[in-house]
Amino acid sequence: DAGVTQSPTHLIKTRGQQVTLRCSPKSGHDTVSWYQQALGQGPQFIFQYYEEEERQRGNFPDRFSGHQFPNYSSELNVNALLLGDSALYLCASRRRTGTSGNTIYFGEGSWLTVV
Amino acid sequence: AQSVTQLGSHVSVSEGALVLLRCNYSSSVPPYLFWYVQYPNQGLQLLLKYTSAATLVKGINGFEAEFKKSETSFHLTKPSAHMSDAAEYFCAVSVSSGGYQKVTFGIGTKLQVIP
Repeated sequence: DAGVTQSPTHLIKTRGQQVTLRCSPKSGHDTVSWYQQALGQGPQFIFQYYEEEERQRGNFPDRFSGHQFPNYSSELNVNALLLGDSALYLCASRRRTGTSGNTIYFGEGSWLTVV
Repeated sequence: AQSVTQLGSHVSVSEGALVLLRCNYSSSVPPYLFWYVQYPNQGLQLLLKYTSAATLVKGINGFEAEFKKSETSFHLTKPSAHMSDAAEYFCAVSVSSGGYQKVTFGIGTKLQVIP
């Protein structure tokens, strides 16, 4: 049973460029969330997708956008990259139905460096 | 709104000594609480979770945590530290908002185990 998978694992972009990160949720999961983890910080919630719609959003600018596909996989897009966007981007998935305490499973993350 | 406070961004213990990582939460509704561990250059792995079934929760690798509502705490403990426990530990609180779970992480505690 594959867990949450993310790609690419590492990438370097230049300021002003755009980036797309991809995530496949754990089998049986239908809800995908994205987190940004800057160096030395805890993960910060970006947004959550369910049934191909953004359901919740954290305190991130509109440069951060996402998408969820019918197979539940998801993309995170960041436009007009800033140096401060350099971070580990974590994708997490869970099953929405069932108990509210359903565990959230994380992928290994995508390391983004903006130069 | 919920929040998590982890006291001590760095904790050092000797191998074989008690591990105690502190976490206090704030939530206006009954929360679900989690501890995650992150090894260098990896994603987050669930250690244990509290979902109101039992106040003392046992997790993987010999860790456990006790939910104390009166103290709004969910401290993580392990009787005897092992070198392999050196990692960063994150406490997280999850509450339901509009039918969706919102997870907030603490800033993390780096555990150093001294031989």
